[in-house]
Amino acid sequence: DTGVSQNPRHKITKRGQNVTFRCDPISEHNRLYWYRQTLGQGPEFLTYFQNEAQLEKSRLLSDRFSAERPKGSFSTLEIQRTEQGDSAMYLCASSLEETQYFGPGTRLTVT
Amino acid sequence: GDSVTQMEGPVTLSEEAFLTINCTYTATGYPSLFWYVQYPGEGLQLLLKATKADDKGSNKGFEATYRKETTSFHLEKGSVQVSDSAVYFCALSVGGSNYKLTFGKGTLLTVNP
Repeated sequence: DTGVSQNPRHKITKRGQNVTFRCDPISEHNRLYWYRQTLGQGPEFLTYFQNEAQLEKSRLLSDRFSAERPKGSFSTLEIQRTEQGDSAMYLCASSLEETQYFGPGTRLTVT
Repeated sequence: GDSVTQMEGPVTLSEEAFLTINCTYTATGYPSLFWYVQYPGEGLQLLLKATKADDKGSNKGFEATYRKETTSFHLEKGSVQVSDSAVYFCALSVGGSNYKLTFGKGTLLTVNP
């Protein structure tokens, strides 16, 4: 069990640029979640995959956000035309059932 | 919708003091309850969980009991250590909602020697 990994750990980008984050879940986990955490707040749910199917998206996930999980393995989260309000920690978690295990997160700073 | 309300911090204690962090919830279904901990510079780690009423979750000297009648899941530890300094998050998930987690805002705990 190598745990959930996320890359990059930090990303600084200029407003208007596109960014993509990657999450590698624990290998046998079929469920994968993305959350966003801003300073002083708890994580907020963004989207959920079961295997390769994206089964739920939060209304927090605007049209500029897209997530994929090809072949039910790793997942990517892309933000197009970044805005300063997108600055946050983006967390990925995976699970077999209800107990989720989190990666270290990707901290995005939009300047 | 589902929500979690937890005691706002920061909480500052001396080593060996007793800790309580209050957590209450509202849920549309029958939730499982969790405490996650985030140490400085690290990711979220599961501390303990409980899946049904009156269950007690415990780990590393921390305990929390699932109280359905008061919709609460308070975190306690009898004697805190400096190494317990972290942010603690209470969370719930409901099976019918794909088990997505709903978190409280977090409570920063600082333990002084």
